[in-house]
Amino acid sequence: DVKVTQSSRYLVKRTGEKVFLECVQDMDHENMFWYRQDPGLGLRLIYFSYDVKMKEKGDIPEGYSVSREKKERFSLILESASTNQTSMYLCASSLRGQASNQPQHFGDGTRLSIL
Amino acid sequence: AQKITQTQPGMFVQEKEAVTLDCTYDTSDPSYGLFWYKQPSSGEMIFLIYQGSYDQQNATEGRYSLNFQKARKSANLVISASQLGDSAMYFCAMREINTGTASKLTFGTGTRLQVTL
Repeated sequence: DVKVTQSSRYLVKRTGEKVFLECVQDMDHENMFWYRQDPGLGLRLIYFSYDVKMKEKGDIPEGYSVSREKKERFSLILESASTNQTSMYLCASSLRGQASNQPQHFGDGTRLSIL
Repeated sequence: AQKITQTQPGMFVQEKEAVTLDCTYDTSDPSYGLFWYKQPSSGEMIFLIYQGSYDQQNATEGRYSLNFQKARKSANLVISASQLGDSAMYFCAMREINTGTASKLTFGTGTRLQVTL
């Protein structure tokens, strides 16, 4: 089974702090994704990566950056956390390729609160 | 325009009954895939079922089936014989193969299903 592991289930940080959310997958997937989930808005894509050191902006990249130095690890960085970044953050991974039936596999999520 | 629309914020169903969760989509790409995910209160997203745009038959996985009506651009999830453990948020998602990045999923806003005794 694919395992996607997010470093924290719950995290509380202060406004202005630099925050790192870590995600590791063990299935050698090329693609990795970061989403945020807010009530009534569903999942929105922040950034994704299709290879080491490669990244592309998703739908809501403002206020975030990412890092992918190793294939199995994808980090989401909040450079200067703000209260409107309080949310549930979900990491996912998938195989690269044109096969449309490849699902994304998700971690358990990190509930981040910015005070 | 929303690419994925789930018009039911919340649904109730009695145990052992069937329930249909609605999903409509909007795309001009002839090649796409549709996914349903379940998210229990614990937070993890669980992949349930997939339907490809060229698939001739509706997808089924155990108690889950997908009522795919291509002309109407709808991909409703049907859960048969509901169980208390089916209480969760359900998300519909779409991948467009030829437009943009093939691996990207677009999600709907979700439907919260509550199964009652």
